[in-house]
Amino acid sequence: QKEVEQNSGPLSVPEGAIASLNCTYSDRGSQSFFWYRQYSGKSPELIMFIYSNGDKEDGRFTAQLNKASQYVSLLIRDSQPSDSATYLCAVKRNAGNMLTFGGGTRLMVKP
Amino acid sequence: ETGVTQSPTHLIKTRGQQVTLRCSSQSGHNTVSWYQQALGQGPQFIFQYYREEENGRGNFPPRFSGLQFPNYSSELNVNALELDDSALYLCASNRDAETQYFGPGTRLLVL
Repeated sequence: QKEVEQNSGPLSVPEGAIASLNCTYSDRGSQSFFWYRQYSGKSPELIMFIYSNGDKEDGRFTAQLNKASQYVSLLIRDSQPSDSATYLCAVKRNAGNMLTFGGGTRLMVKP
Repeated sequence: ETGVTQSPTHLIKTRGQQVTLRCSSQSGHNTVSWYQQALGQGPQFIFQYYREEENGRGNFPPRFSGLQFPNYSSELNVNALELDDSALYLCASNRDAETQYFGPGTRLLVL
């Protein structure tokens, strides 16, 4: 079992719809959870992070965390074609700074 | 802008050679981490440096080594290159205790 698992996709949504990206993790010692966006040929860019159970909203993005279920999700409202990218979920234990990444989910937003 | 730069952007080497990749981050970013991202996969943690000392290492062989300098620059050295070392190499620095921001990466091709 991989430490961080994501459906590789592609996830295809129409423009204006809500895209839902999911991630599960195996290490119960994980304390911090991150979502990065990576365009083809580029490096990952941080979208948002979450530490506490529940929802955290930032603009069109909402991160959701459920530590009991070891589940993190990212919702993108009003999806735009420019949101088409690979979304990487990453987790971090409290000690140290190592990020453990999932394989990423490729999102395609169709006009 | 993440304030993290990397050089070179692309590099071609042959099997058995040695390579040095460079990273520079902003003043005050005391922690630098290096990741390897193979095509179609998430980044894998190589190692991290904090105030010029190695502060954690992933599952990579000793032929992967690094340095961090007082001027917030860092190097990743790889000896005895293998074909599987072909990947995007990412440097990330911490603006704060939690969040890591990536540089543009160096794409290495080993022939």
